[in-house]
Parts: sequence; structure tokens; C-alpha cells
Amino acid sequence: ETGVTQTPRHLVMGMTNKKSLKCEQHLGHNAMYWYKQSAKKPLELMFVYNFKEQTENNSVPSRFSPECPNSSHLFLHLHTLQPEDSALYLCASSQRGRASSYNEQFFGPGTRLTVL
Amino acid sequence: QKEVEQNSGPLSVPEGAIASLNCTYSDRGSQSFFWYRQYSGKSPELIMFIYSNGDKEDGRFTAQLNKASQYVSLLIRDSQPSDSATYLCAVVGVTGGGNKLTFGTGTQLKVEL
Repeated sequence: ETGVTQTPRHLVMGMTNKKSLKCEQHLGHNAMYWYKQSAKKPLELMFVYNFKEQTENNSVPSRFSPECPNSSHLFLHLHTLQPEDSALYLCASSQRGRASSYNEQFFGPGTRLTVL
Repeated sequence: QKEVEQNSGPLSVPEGAIASLNCTYSDRGSQSFFWYRQYSGKSPELIMFIYSNGDKEDGRFTAQLNKASQYVSLLIRDSQPSDSATYLCAVVGVTGGGNKLTFGTGTQLKVEL
């Protein structure tokens, strides 16, 4: 596997289900991100993890719960979602250095989530 | 006011023409600027980044940055049908520890035969 991988690629779930999205990066990066992409809206940053520590929570509802067990893996646990949470969920990674002005993020293929 | 603004398009250009994509941003302290290309149903991929005023060229692509006007653009020379995609402008600001990207909504580009 190379780059950033995400599973599953497609997920359909009911509002009472609990599911998890998985992301793995094979680039040796130290920062990982969750984004939400809805139609006609900009990519929305949800969470940022630097060196496994959460450094950004962009006012995300508690029904989304991230987990970063190590610098290569990132999960997004989902429970009691709403139909408006249906979107493409993208994971990204980057190498965060001391010169923080440059930050190339590499994206995974995304998980297309549909909440019924 | 949106933090990063782009015209959603679609921008239609004939094959071989120059496509000009524009982006403005509100955070005057923004440090780094990125252009991502996203094909329909795919994830964004980085095509250019710039952090100094002026022009930066890479093959058929030129990024232009004017920090005084808070404006960044992407020029695509000799446009090809394969360039048809949505182009996302992204900015790293002074907040968020230096790795928080704020995206615009994207401009859809259509290159017509």
C-alpha cells in the first residue's frame, strides 16, 4: 500500500448505527486530518492530530469521535448520525516540521457516507 | 465574509487556451497558498504551492501571489480536456499551529474540444 488509504470506500448507515472510518498513511508523516466534503460547500476541516495529539477540533458535533492510536492510523467513530452528515469524508496527512509555513497535505480517496 | 473565495464557475475555455483561476483570502497574515485539483469522484491532489509574492511556474501551470491584494491565481497554459476538474484554492493562516488549511469552494473548469 502506498500513500493514504481509507476504508471503507462507501458506507450506508442508519441513524442509530455505530460505525468507524479508518485511515492509514504510509508516508511517514506526523500529522493527520479529517475533512468533510459536502456538495456546494468548501472542504471543512474537522480534526487535526500532530504527533498523535489532537490539536484542532473545528466545532465538530460529539457524534463524531476521532481516535489516533499512532502517527500512521486515524479513525473516525460515528454514532447517532443525522441525514445531513451524509458527505465524503477525507483523510489527509502531512509532515509537520519546524518551518510550519509549508504544509503539503496528501489526501486519501475518501469514504462516501450516506445516512438514512 | 468567506475566508477563501473562489468563483464556482463553471469556467469554460477552448482547448489550447489559457485558463485563469482566481482566489481571494481574508486573513492578511496567511503564509502559504496551495492549488489542488479534484476530478469528479476523486480526492484532491496538490498541483502547486506558493508562499512568496510573484509568479511560480511548473510546466503548464503558473501560480501568482499578491499578498498586498490578498489574491492568488492559477494560470493553465495550453489547456487540455484532461484539465477539466474542480480547482481548489487553500490557504494556511497564522492560527491553527501552521498546518490548518482553509479551502475555497473550488472553481469548476471545463476545457472544450
